[in-house]
Amino acid sequence: DAKTTQPPSMDCAEGRAANLPCNHSTISGNEYVYWYRQIHSQGPQYIIHGLKNNETNEMASLIITEDRKSSTLILPHATLRDTAVYYCIAPNFGNEKLTFGTGTRLTIIP
Amino acid sequence: EPEVTQTPSHQVTQMGQEVILRCVPISNHLYFYWYRQILGQKVEFLVSFYNNEISEKSEIFDDQFSVERPDGSNFTLKIRSTKLEDSAMYFCASRPRDRGNYGYTFGSGTRLTVV
Repeated sequence: DAKTTQPPSMDCAEGRAANLPCNHSTISGNEYVYWYRQIHSQGPQYIIHGLKNNETNEMASLIITEDRKSSTLILPHATLRDTAVYYCIAPNFGNEKLTFGTGTRLTIIP
Repeated sequence: EPEVTQTPSHQVTQMGQEVILRCVPISNHLYFYWYRQILGQKVEFLVSFYNNEISEKSEIFDDQFSVERPDGSNFTLKIRSTKLEDSAMYFCASRPRDRGNYGYTFGSGTRLTVV
């Protein structure tokens, strides 16, 4: 998997947009960027993924830079329930596994 | 929304005992996984399973571990002789047939405590 780098922690005020950055400068052309989150000790939850175009779904938006060396996950209106650890993963196409790093611990502040 | 179901949610066992953790993946998924997370540590890959056989396993998945899909719905992880260091959350996951799709669905986990 391509190495990803995320800040260890971030705070965001409730109702604001939470912007979580990820660097993946060694990503190769066919490797997607995936975002998962883990709320407390629950199982990881898939959020969104993308290759080179920006993506949006009901949970979040994903902005990938043109050179694909970094991306930003955006939670447009953060709620207290978005407090979680967020993982940015770029799995090697053909690998069976996801490799989780330490992620970013996002705390939503009331 | 389809879910991956894991049972039990919490299992306490004595060291040296065998445990079986159970999972019901999403019905039309073809790839199945077990991960674990020791308290305060990263989520770690254990094993992947496809077409009724192990497709990849980690160094953690030694001879004490085995997986099985005994029928069309269940997917189990067996630990033959548990050790204290096996205490962890164990997560089952599944994903659709599209090999390039890493949008896994994880279960809510089984907390295994070895005493």
